[in-house]
Amino acid sequence: DQQVKQNSPSLSVQEGRISILNCDYTNSMFDYFLWYKKYPAEGPTFLISISSIKDKNEDGRFTVFLNKSAKHLSLHIVPSQPGDSAVYFCAASPRAGGTSYGKLTFGQGTILTVHP
Amino acid sequence: GAVVSQHPSWVICKSGTSVKIECRSLDFQATTMFWYRQFPKQSLMLMATSNEGSKATYEQGVEKDKFLINHASLTLSTLTVTSAHPEDSSFYICSARALAGGNTGELFFGEGSRLTVL
Repeated sequence: DQQVKQNSPSLSVQEGRISILNCDYTNSMFDYFLWYKKYPAEGPTFLISISSIKDKNEDGRFTVFLNKSAKHLSLHIVPSQPGDSAVYFCAASPRAGGTSYGKLTFGQGTILTVHP
Repeated sequence: GAVVSQHPSWVICKSGTSVKIECRSLDFQATTMFWYRQFPKQSLMLMATSNEGSKATYEQGVEKDKFLINHASLTLSTLTVTSAHPEDSSFYICSARALAGGNTGELFFGEGSRLTVL
């Protein structure tokens, strides 16, 4: 049972345009959500996170939106750059402050390709 | 920024041998570390939670006698794949939860260790 789903295996975007990566989850116990970027044969690199008490968090070119009622989050990258090309994983965690915090459930990943 | 280092980054071994992978937090203390496994073109799957000074807790379906985890100090956790077989070939990744901030401490990932069992 896939509790965190990224339904788009890949996304191709032109440089300078917006990249939108989507993620859906099913477990209501998830309370904290993170996006990671990963290159082949490397560990994930943290991008941005959001707590369930917020619906938006912004950090430079990256913005994450959370719709709790729909159990849906998205990552917006504006403007997209060729260096953003990588696999993007969304991950969900139980409540920060709880003993299970940090036990991440990952989506399948979306391969983002930004063309010059 | 905070760094988590894994060693070795790549290991090839013969079937039946055991392999140890180290995960170190280089400039912070981590009471809790997590071990993940990633098969090619698949997602990362949590294997176990490693707590300093106590036994690791394993996720359902992960053999604790197969994947031995030791968290001897606040900066080091080790994963030993015992009697490795080709199906154990995978990318193993650890993450560390910084002690500062208690259970809200930031999470940091290692670079991963690629295991190939011949």
